[in-house]
Amino acid sequence: GAGVSQTPSNKVTEKGKYVELRCDPISGHTALYWYRQSLGQGPEFLIYFQGTGAADDSGLPNDRFFAVRPEGSVSTLKIQRTERGDSAVYLCASSLLSGGNTDTQYFGPGTRLTVL
Amino acid sequence: QKEVEQNSGPLSVPEGAIASLNCTYSDRGSQSFFWYRQYSGKSPELIMFIYSNGDKEDGRFTAQLNKASQYVSLLIRDSQPSDSATYLCAVKGGFNKFYFGSGTKLNVKP
Repeated sequence: GAGVSQTPSNKVTEKGKYVELRCDPISGHTALYWYRQSLGQGPEFLIYFQGTGAADDSGLPNDRFFAVRPEGSVSTLKIQRTERGDSAVYLCASSLLSGGNTDTQYFGPGTRLTVL
Repeated sequence: QKEVEQNSGPLSVPEGAIASLNCTYSDRGSQSFFWYRQYSGKSPELIMFIYSNGDKEDGRFTAQLNKASQYVSLLIRDSQPSDSATYLCAVKGGFNKFYFGSGTKLNVKP
């Protein structure tokens, strides 16, 4: 596709349930980022993949959060035992990672997660 | 201390005026700087980036970078009501990690 896609666009779940959020980056983009954005805040970094490996997962808030990118393209963010505080918009972005200063990231439409 | 600081606003300007949005960052080693626009309920969209000191113009938008002062700004000339949105400043730090400010909300009044 032409841009970053994310599914589902909306997810409502109950406290304690498990959820998976999917991101399909721009074709050929090596780097993939997950962010979480709460109302009135900027995107908060969660994890960054370079290819298949997580190059930096320092933003994951705790061990309930996990992400994979097994083939270096599509990524899944997994949240176990969801809590009401996990409610936010989860954004995915990808970039070419050419190594220069002009590397920019492009965002998907986001998944709005609501934990009841 | 946050990595990237922005005034949350709202910044209100009349239609046709120049809107000036500002951003400061803490990591002196940062190399690339980005401005994103985010409409309510939508994801951020890239407006422009800058990595050299000075000004960079793209249509009605001008980004300004002063690395010595660790300061980035975005000027929007001839502001339109459609420019009303939240503007996010982002800084690319080490290891390809991006840091975002909380955004400045801009209101352009007809």
